[in-house]
Amino acid sequence: ETGVTQTPRHLVMGMTNKKSLKCEQHLGHNAMYWYKQSAKKPLELMFVYSLEERVENNSVPSRFSPECPNSSHLFLHLHTLQPEDSALYLCASSPPPLAGPTDTQYFGPGTRLTVL
Amino acid sequence: AQSVTQLGSHVSVSEGALVLLRCNYSSSVPPYLFWYVQYPNQGLQLLLKYTTGATLVKGINGFEAEFKKSETSFHLTKPSAHMSDAAEYFCAVSPGANNLFFGTGTRLTVIP
Repeated sequence: ETGVTQTPRHLVMGMTNKKSLKCEQHLGHNAMYWYKQSAKKPLELMFVYSLEERVENNSVPSRFSPECPNSSHLFLHLHTLQPEDSALYLCASSPPPLAGPTDTQYFGPGTRLTVL
Repeated sequence: AQSVTQLGSHVSVSEGALVLLRCNYSSSVPPYLFWYVQYPNQGLQLLLKYTTGATLVKGINGFEAEFKKSETSFHLTKPSAHMSDAAEYFCAVSPGANNLFFGTGTRLTVIP
């Protein structure tokens, strides 16, 4: 399998549940990202990992917990979510930044999350 | 600071007509600019990007965009719309170092 894959593609959970989203990239990249896509809003960058270390966390609530065990895998652990967290969660990966411009980010198909 | 404004959240064109999706950006450094497309139930796919060099950039599926620094614009065009072009299109700007700032998207409808 090639590219960026995400599982599950759809997830319905209650506010007291704990679940995890998984992202895997087969592109040899070493930077990975989590984005949240809500209706009528720009994509929101949640987390950035470069070389398996978190380099950015855009003030995301602690009920979202990322994990990057290696350069090919990225998880987003979810617990005690709220209905407003319902959205499409997109994973992306990219090669390491060169001296200057960022390179292209390659996106997975997303996980459609519904919080009841 | 970086930001992107996409004028028109919905654009409808007839099949065979010109497609024009507008994007204006704000950037405190020389920008790198991207257009992504999102088909229903799928992730974002890169259409084209501008980093340096030629200001007219050609992408996949017959799309192209022109970087106009004086107008701070990066509009996306295609001479003749096809039904398969119906999707949501996102413009993004990057100052570098892993950061992409997206617009709110434009949904393109193609009328047969």
